[in-house]
Amino acid sequence: DQQVKQNSPSLSVQEGRISILNCDYTNSMFDYFLWYKKYPAEGPTFLISISSIKDKNEDGRFTVFLNKSAKHLSLHIVPSQPGDSAVYFCAASANAGNMLTFGGGTRLMVKP
Amino acid sequence: DAGVIQSPRHEVTEMGQEVTLRCKPISGHDYLFWYRQTMMRGLELLIYFNNNVPIDDSGMPEDRFSAKMPNASFSTLKIQPSEPRDSAVYFCASSYGVNYEQYFGPGTRLTVT
Repeated sequence: DQQVKQNSPSLSVQEGRISILNCDYTNSMFDYFLWYKKYPAEGPTFLISISSIKDKNEDGRFTVFLNKSAKHLSLHIVPSQPGDSAVYFCAASANAGNMLTFGGGTRLMVKP
Repeated sequence: DAGVIQSPRHEVTEMGQEVTLRCKPISGHDYLFWYRQTMMRGLELLIYFNNNVPIDDSGMPEDRFSAKMPNASFSTLKIQPSEPRDSAVYFCASSYGVNYEQYFGPGTRLTVT
């Protein structure tokens, strides 16, 4: 039973356009959400996060939106750059704990 | 800091053999996590330690898997005996305090034939 789901295994976007990566969760106890980025042959690296008390968090070109009623979050990258091509993992944590539950990942390809 | 260090980077072994994966967390970090990444299940948490003590091992798939952390700078994940379905990339991560941001190592790609 996957508690965090990324239903799109891959996404292709033109350079300069917006990339939107989606994530759904089922556990209502999740109160903190993160996005990690992973390049081939490397470990995931932290990108951006959001607490459940907020509905938006922005960091440069990256913005995460949280819709608690729909149990849905999304990552927007504007404008997309070829260097953003990677696998993006959504993760969630419950009750301010250290354990993270990850989604299956979405491979983003940004075409020049 | 050199970041989280994992060894070996690649391991190819035959079914039935013992496999030991190693991890050196970032100095000063008090949490250490072992993850497994597969195509079918994505990135799943196997076990995590706090101050060298195992806190939650509910993700360990079966008794063939064991993990230890004898000191703050070293941890091992052992599979004995290994099976082809154990083939995956195994990541080690560490963090400091109750901090959601975990720092991952480069992973060990395990292939069991």
